[in-house]
Amino acid sequence: DAGVIQSPRHEVTEMGQEVTLRCKPISGHDYLFWYRQTMMRGLELLIYFNNNVPIDDSGMPEDRFSAKMPNASFSTLKIQPSEPRDSAVYFCASSLIRGGYTFGSGTRLTVV
Amino acid sequence: SQQGEEDPQALSIQEGENATMNCSYKTSINNLQWYRQNSGRGLVHLILIRSNEREKHSGRLRVTLDTSKKSSSLLITASRAADTASYFCATDHTGNQFYFGTGTSLTVIP
Repeated sequence: DAGVIQSPRHEVTEMGQEVTLRCKPISGHDYLFWYRQTMMRGLELLIYFNNNVPIDDSGMPEDRFSAKMPNASFSTLKIQPSEPRDSAVYFCASSLIRGGYTFGSGTRLTVV
Repeated sequence: SQQGEEDPQALSIQEGENATMNCSYKTSINNLQWYRQNSGRGLVHLILIRSNEREKHSGRLRVTLDTSKKSSSLLITASRAADTASYFCATDHTGNQFYFGTGTSLTVIP
């Protein structure tokens, strides 16, 4: 398995633009997590899915953030409109039956 | 905040020495996990310990869990320069809650 695949690796966008981050979890994993990492706030859980169903989105900072998981092999995190304070590294992770997480390499988002 | 707290925030040791870092949490857990993150990279899973376990080993890593104190420790023996990284604990709580700690930055000096 190629692991958790995230795209793009880097994204630079202008304030106000829509940003879509993508994640392909490990096949067979039933949990998918989106995290955001910044120096100031560390790793923050934004949302997680179990069997493609969103379970807890209480970490999503604002309505500008939305996440979907249309099938077991794909998830997106969308920010619309983006703001400079959204700049961070966004990680996707998947796990099987609440075991250890496998993280993707992350998407480094810069909003200017 | 429900985040776990790692202690110390930063640790600097000589190659060959042992490194110990601690994690404390607040509410009951299903399991606790330790991760390593090299600069600019994603997190790598090191070890998972379940709430009914007290100690686990993996190579040079030893993890202990004390549920009565709500704390865990990660020991890296015979450290190497390649162990330089940030180390995080992650807690899987009852009630479907998952939290990462704030991390310990470990520097191993050759």
